[in-house]
Amino acid sequence: DIQMTQSPSSLSASVGDRVTITCRASQTISTYLNWYQQKPGKAPKLLIYAASSLQVGVPSRFSGSGSGTDFTLTISSLQPEDFATYYCQQSYNTLPYTFGQGTNLEIK
Amino acid sequence: QLQLQESGPGLVKPSETLSLTCTVSGGSVTDSTYYWAWIRQSPGKGLEFIGSIYYSGSTTYNPSLKSRVTLSVDTSNNQFSLRLRSMTAADTAVYHCARHYDSGWPNWFDPWGQGILVTVSS
Repeated sequence: DIQMTQSPSSLSASVGDRVTITCRASQTISTYLNWYQQKPGKAPKLLIYAASSLQVGVPSRFSGSGSGTDFTLTISSLQPEDFATYYCQQSYNTLPYTFGQGTNLEIK
Repeated sequence: QLQLQESGPGLVKPSETLSLTCTVSGGSVTDSTYYWAWIRQSPGKGLEFIGSIYYSGSTTYNPSLKSRVTLSVDTSNNQFSLRLRSMTAADTAVYHCARHYDSGWPNWFDPWGQGILVTVSS
């Protein structure tokens, strides 16, 4: 299986901060990389697909980049509603699709 | 707006079979653009892909679960279902259903159902 490793596991930040979360794949996955946001008790929500494409309805302060094995999710200016857990997920052509362990973004 | 809702038992005994159903509203399971997926989430294993099904019945499964999983689709009721046999405590998790866009590239899950907690215990 392709292992997905996120860093950091947790992060404290303030409203207005610029935040970057990193995801590394154990082998190259081209741009088969998605990012999700999950709030407590809620379903995960797709933010970014194919490494850098913004899902419809997602605010433009979210952006994604990377290819191969290293990827980043950036939030340009944190808003109160952005405090949540973020997951990366690879959808390369070898099953199973796998997820990172999550990054818990907390209010400082 | 597409919505998905999981239903089924919250408690299953060890060695028994789990049966869950996902009801789709605001869209159709026969939409040829999408597959329909099950994903589970537990503190120990995190998020784990279980499998996906197309309205025609074509399936893809996580190889680690393939021997115990069966997915099916009921187009008349706009639902799809999961059966997981020989349940153990390791299968305790929140089970989510989701719409799965799989064109090869890109390939993503959205939206998801809120999930149903399934506990395996005697």
